[in-house]
Amino acid sequence: AQKVTQAQTEISVVEKEDVTLDCVYETRDTTYYLFWYKQPPSGELVFLIRRNSFDEQNEISGRYSWNFQKSTSSFNFTITASQVVDSAVYFCALSDATSGSARQLTFGSGTQLTVLP
Amino acid sequence: GAVVSQHPSWVICKSGTSVKIECRSLDFQATTMFWYRQFPKQSLMLMATSNEGSKATYEQGVEKDKFLINHASLTLSTLTVTSAHPEDSSFYICSARDGGWVDPNEQFFGPGTRLTVL
Repeated sequence: AQKVTQAQTEISVVEKEDVTLDCVYETRDTTYYLFWYKQPPSGELVFLIRRNSFDEQNEISGRYSWNFQKSTSSFNFTITASQVVDSAVYFCALSDATSGSARQLTFGSGTQLTVLP
Repeated sequence: GAVVSQHPSWVICKSGTSVKIECRSLDFQATTMFWYRQFPKQSLMLMATSNEGSKATYEQGVEKDKFLINHASLTLSTLTVTSAHPEDSSFYICSARDGGWVDPNEQFFGPGTRLTVL
């Protein structure tokens, strides 16, 4: 069975600091997809990135970057020069072949990020 | 593109009443829709998966007679919480998978419905 672990329940940083959110996953499949979502206080999930298991290249998008390492089953998310607007709950999620054609997502428990001014 | 709406965005009801939540894909045909429940400060937990025109598949521990799901068209799925009780108070989120050209691994999430049962 698939599992996603976000060990950091809450993180607080001061604005302009860099912060890394950890995500460790478990799956028996060789083909799978990893996701990061942001959930601001409004509750609506905001899609940030999707990565498939065959693409280990790191991704950078503005202040956001992702480090995918299959050797350690990790897909960590770094925010550079954090801003107050980055304050939210961040979820890592996994979709693998055991989800069947439905492609269900398994979510981690989430990390509450608070960026202080 | 790929917008999913939910209605209502919030609802307050009395214990024992039924509440219907709608999930619509506005600009694509959703062959599969998912319903999640999220309690405060917790993660999203999948309740059920529904495919258009067929019965929903419920996750273990989710009462199918209490949470009725209907996916009668390619753009609409409904979740009815029957005989709601205070413990059903939660944030309900739907997502939809595009059956067309968009990558099937992509799920598009609705904005959620906050249910409060008094």
